[in-house]
Amino acid sequence: DTAVSQTPKYLVTQMGNDKSIKCEQNLGHDTMYWYKQDSKKFLKIMFSYNNKELIINETVPNRFSPKSPDKAHLNLHINSLELGDSAVYFCASTYNTGELFFGEGSRLTVL
Amino acid sequence: GQQVMQIPQYQHVQEGEDFTTYCNSSTTLSNIQWYKQRPGGHPVFLIQLVKSGEVKKQKRLTFQFGEAKKNSSLHITATQTTDVGTYFCAGPVNNNDMRFGAGTRLTVKP
Repeated sequence: DTAVSQTPKYLVTQMGNDKSIKCEQNLGHDTMYWYKQDSKKFLKIMFSYNNKELIINETVPNRFSPKSPDKAHLNLHINSLELGDSAVYFCASTYNTGELFFGEGSRLTVL
Repeated sequence: GQQVMQIPQYQHVQEGEDFTTYCNSSTTLSNIQWYKQRPGGHPVFLIQLVKSGEVKKQKRLTFQFGEAKKNSSLHITATQTTDVGTYFCAGPVNNNDMRFGAGTRLTVKP
């Protein structure tokens, strides 16, 4: 069973479109994250949710909005996609700032 | 602001040579974690260090946490081609805000 699963794995879309990436964890963790990894491999934290409450919100554009229907899910919705949004987006979860478990990543390409 | 810095950005070694990556935080960390990301893969947890001055070993990998809990290092002895990947350190700099260093990309020439 996959601990942290995110879909889709690949996403190719046009500028200006709206898209969502879903993430689910079955580990019973209390905190979930979204990270953006650019072409230089830098992992930038975007959002963190702890027990369904947003506890940090990096200076990301408000076109990005996290949605957490319950503590096992943290979805990422992106409006009006731009070329610079092309990256690999990783979902991760943890319990009490312990080991982070990452999903396999969602590679977004904006044309 | 608070951040985690990591050097070098790249390291190319001949198989059998040693490798070290260094991590430094602007503030004291409650713990530091190390991850490895293989090409095309996702970051995978290697270890967590919690105590000041702690040293932990995993086969050919040695992890250290500084006395001031602001710096850490990962040393690989006698690298192998299976060690190829990007190594990241990460620390909780604000509550649950897990910040990653820029990573060190290791390539190993057979």
